[in-house]
Amino acid sequence: GAVVSQHPSRVICKSGTSVKIECRSLDFQATTMFWYRQFPKQSLMLMATSNEGSKATYEQGVEKDKFLINHASLTLSTLTVTSAHPEDSSFYICSAGSAGPNTEAFFGQGTRLTVV
Amino acid sequence: DAKTTQPPSMDCAEGRAANLPCNHSTISGNEYVYWYRQIHSQGPQYIIHGLKNNETNEMASLIITEDRKSSTLILPHATLRDTAVYYCIAVTGGGNKLTFGTGTQLKVEL
Repeated sequence: GAVVSQHPSRVICKSGTSVKIECRSLDFQATTMFWYRQFPKQSLMLMATSNEGSKATYEQGVEKDKFLINHASLTLSTLTVTSAHPEDSSFYICSAGSAGPNTEAFFGQGTRLTVV
Repeated sequence: DAKTTQPPSMDCAEGRAANLPCNHSTISGNEYVYWYRQIHSQGPQYIIHGLKNNETNEMASLIITEDRKSSTLILPHATLRDTAVYYCIAVTGGGNKLTFGTGTQLKVEL
């Protein structure tokens, strides 16, 4: 099946700094990618839809100025957590897939962000 | 996307079949039933999906009731590596954004 690669798998950063997470579709082109966040013992929550060549669409309650998304090519979307705080510590996961019915999503391995 | 309801947890003995139920009583005609699983600290993994007919692949079987209001994911011979949270999602296209519920924590034991 298709592969989505996420990097880094783990990152520790100091409070107030910014962290960039990359999501790549390795063997297919993805005009749309999705970013999710998962806190311990909770389910995945959709943060935003990343659209190639245009602005991302954010879910209600997600600050677009804090979570910057760039989707500059058909195989790469990046999520930058700006001015990170300890409460931003979470598991961030991206996915990509073909639009339309009867398709499936492919997920990255996830990025464990710890803000100290 | 239609809301889905799953039991929070299930146990299964290794080598036995694991049958995971899901209710989706408000599913619409163009929504598929998708199953994903998430092993601890990993990204979700696609398992199977179906619209009306039962489906089978190398990982599992999916049984959908005739009225499409519920379904069952069957892992025919569960192994310890099948211990994970299993999510049932009703959506028109799995490549679209997904709304994850709380899922079922399946624990496979010796």
